[in-house]
Amino acid sequence: GAVVSQHPSRVICKSGTSVKIECRSLDFQATTMFWYRQFPKQSLMLMATSNEGSKATYEQGVEKDKFLINHASLTLSTLTVTSAHPEDSSFYICSAPAGGGGSRIYTGELFFGEGSRLTVL
Amino acid sequence: AQTVTQSQPEMSVQEAETVTLSCTYDTSESDYYLFWYKQPPSRQMILVIRQEAYKQQNATENRFSVNFQKAAKSFSLKISDSQLGDAAMYFCAYRSATRDDKIIFGKGTRLHILP
Repeated sequence: GAVVSQHPSRVICKSGTSVKIECRSLDFQATTMFWYRQFPKQSLMLMATSNEGSKATYEQGVEKDKFLINHASLTLSTLTVTSAHPEDSSFYICSAPAGGGGSRIYTGELFFGEGSRLTVL
Repeated sequence: AQTVTQSQPEMSVQEAETVTLSCTYDTSESDYYLFWYKQPPSRQMILVIRQEAYKQQNATENRFSVNFQKAAKSFSLKISDSQLGDAAMYFCAYRSATRDDKIIFGKGTRLHILP
């Protein structure tokens, strides 16, 4: 099946620094990717939709300047948490729709990366 | 706006027994997808089963099956012959048939398997 790879899986940083998380679709093209945030024992909260070749679309309440999203190519989207603070500590997950490009049949589902646990000290 | 509701925060089932997880949703659209995703302790999201709204037949994947009631906007998941590896968080999810639209998740049901 399609694979979405997310890196790094864990990152610890000091308050005030920036952290970049990469999301790659390994065997299919993804013109759209979604970034979710998940707090402990809670559901996934959509942060933004990453669009290749155009600006990301952010959900209400998500700070655009804090969470920078760049969809550099059809297989790569990045999330940069700028000037991170302890309250930004969370689990971040990216996903991409199956069926983007090539001969892959559109199935409606999303493929998820492994997630990245960010801890800000 | 579409919403997904899972009313059971936690459930427990004896190993080898059958359990049903409930999910209701609200939408004004006629064409959409419904999913059940599993999130084990590793936190990797795993697709369990998928249902296209235009299909009347309930989806089945081995021990997993759904009861899709479109008029009632209900989409429950039945797990038969429960196994220890089924212990996880289960999320019901909705996605419009618009190709690049987001998935909306319910709050999840934590399933415990009792040996």
